[in-house]
Amino acid sequence: DAGVIQSPRHEVTEMGQEVTLRCKLISGHNSLFWYRQTMMRGLELLIYFNNNVPIDDSGMPEDRFSAKMPNASFSTLKIQPSEPRDSAVYFCASSPGAGDTEAFFGQGTRLTVV
Amino acid sequence: AQSVTQLDSQVPVFEEAPVELRCNYSSSVSVYLFWYVQYPNQGLQLLLKYLSGSTLVKGINGFEAEFNKSQTSFHLRKPSVHISDTAEYFCAVSKTSYDKVIFGPGTSLSVIP
Repeated sequence: DAGVIQSPRHEVTEMGQEVTLRCKLISGHNSLFWYRQTMMRGLELLIYFNNNVPIDDSGMPEDRFSAKMPNASFSTLKIQPSEPRDSAVYFCASSPGAGDTEAFFGQGTRLTVV
Repeated sequence: AQSVTQLDSQVPVFEEAPVELRCNYSSSVSVYLFWYVQYPNQGLQLLLKYLSGSTLVKGINGFEAEFNKSQTSFHLRKPSVHISDTAEYFCAVSKTSYDKVIFGPGTSLSVIP
């Protein structure tokens, strides 16, 4: 398996624009996590899904952020409208779930909002 | 809710010297524990994990960690560090098989030639 795949790797957008980050899970994994990493706040869990169902979205900063899992292997994180303070590296991770919560991370998407 | 504390934000150490990175967690229930490493401009990679069984866990790149339930600690150690070990190290905890993984703030390890 190629591992968790995120796209794009880099995104530069203007304030107010919509941004969509994409993630392909490892086949057979049941849990999906979206994290945000910044110098100031470290690694923050935004939302996690189990079997395509959102379990905890308490880390989502505000209504401008939304995440979906349309099927068992794919997820999107959307920011609309984007703001400069959203600039960060966004990581997607998946885990097997059954008795082992080891998270396998993608390479991340570096988002810059200007 | 679980939380993770990494007391040392930066740890400089000379090459071939031993190192210990400290991690303490808080949880009222049994937990799984992890150490991850992040090299510049890359994602996080698992070093080792404790799910159950032996409290001394060995991982990749010569690292090991010991789970101490009474002290709620999971410190990471390596007897002799290499320049290539320079990276950010994260301790993490989760409660159950389907629960979220919470990360500590990270410790930046710098190995000095």
